[in-house]
Amino acid sequence: DAGVIQSPRHEVTEMGQEVTLRCKPISGHDYLFWYRQTMMRGLELLIYFNNNVPIDDSGMPEDRFSAKMPNASFSNLKIQPSEPRDSAVYFCASSFGPREGREQFFGPGTRLTVL
Amino acid sequence: GEDVEQSLFLSVREGDSSVINCTYTDSSSTYLYWYKQEPGAGLQLLTYIFSNMDMKQDQRLTVLLNKKDKHLSLRIADTQTGDSAIYFCAEPSGGYQKVTFGIGTKLQVIP
Repeated sequence: DAGVIQSPRHEVTEMGQEVTLRCKPISGHDYLFWYRQTMMRGLELLIYFNNNVPIDDSGMPEDRFSAKMPNASFSNLKIQPSEPRDSAVYFCASSFGPREGREQFFGPGTRLTVL
Repeated sequence: GEDVEQSLFLSVREGDSSVINCTYTDSSSTYLYWYKQEPGAGLQLLTYIFSNMDMKQDQRLTVLLNKKDKHLSLRIADTQTGDSAIYFCAEPSGGYQKVTFGIGTKLQVIP
C-alpha cells in the first residue's frame, strides 16, 4: 500500500479564495482524521470520520471549514473563504479497528499558505 | 479534558542519551504513545506502552511510565543524527480512536 496520500503537498493562495485539501486513506482503514499543525498550537484534531460518517467535528475552527468523506477512499477539507491565520500544515491520518490504541498512519501533509 | 505537556526543545551530542519527558492527565488511559515526525513528513508511531507496564525497551528506545505522577519518558540511547526529529507524546482522549498529542519536543543532535 502507498500509505495515506494527500494532495496538494503545497498550496499558496490569496485571502478570500476557496481551498480544497484532499486525502486518500489506506485501503481498509475505517477511521480518518484531519489535523492542523502550527508552531503556536501544535497538532490539533479538526474532525474525524468512522465508516465515512463524521463522529466529532468539535475541533473545526469555524463555519469557514468543512470536511466530507463521500466514500471510503476519499475525503476533502475545504476552507471558504480562506484567511492568513489558516496558514498551517494540514495532515490526514487513517487507522483501522474498533479498539483503543490503534496506530494512526499519517500522510505527508499539505502546507497551506494564505497571503 | 485531556492535556499532554512536553518541553519544546532538547539538544544532545551524538552518542549521548536523550531523554524526552511528558506529563498527561487521563489516568484511565490504557495506552500511551510516542510518535516521531521527521522534517517535512507526517507523524509515525515510534513506540507505545500499556498502562499496566512500568517500562518497555525496544532496541535503543526505553519508555518509562510513572502512573502515580502521570509521567512518561522516552530515552534514546546512543543518539544518532538520524534521530533528529520532533517527538510527540500522546494519549487516547474520549473515544476509541481519538488521540490527544502533546505539542512535540524538537530533538537536535549535534555531530
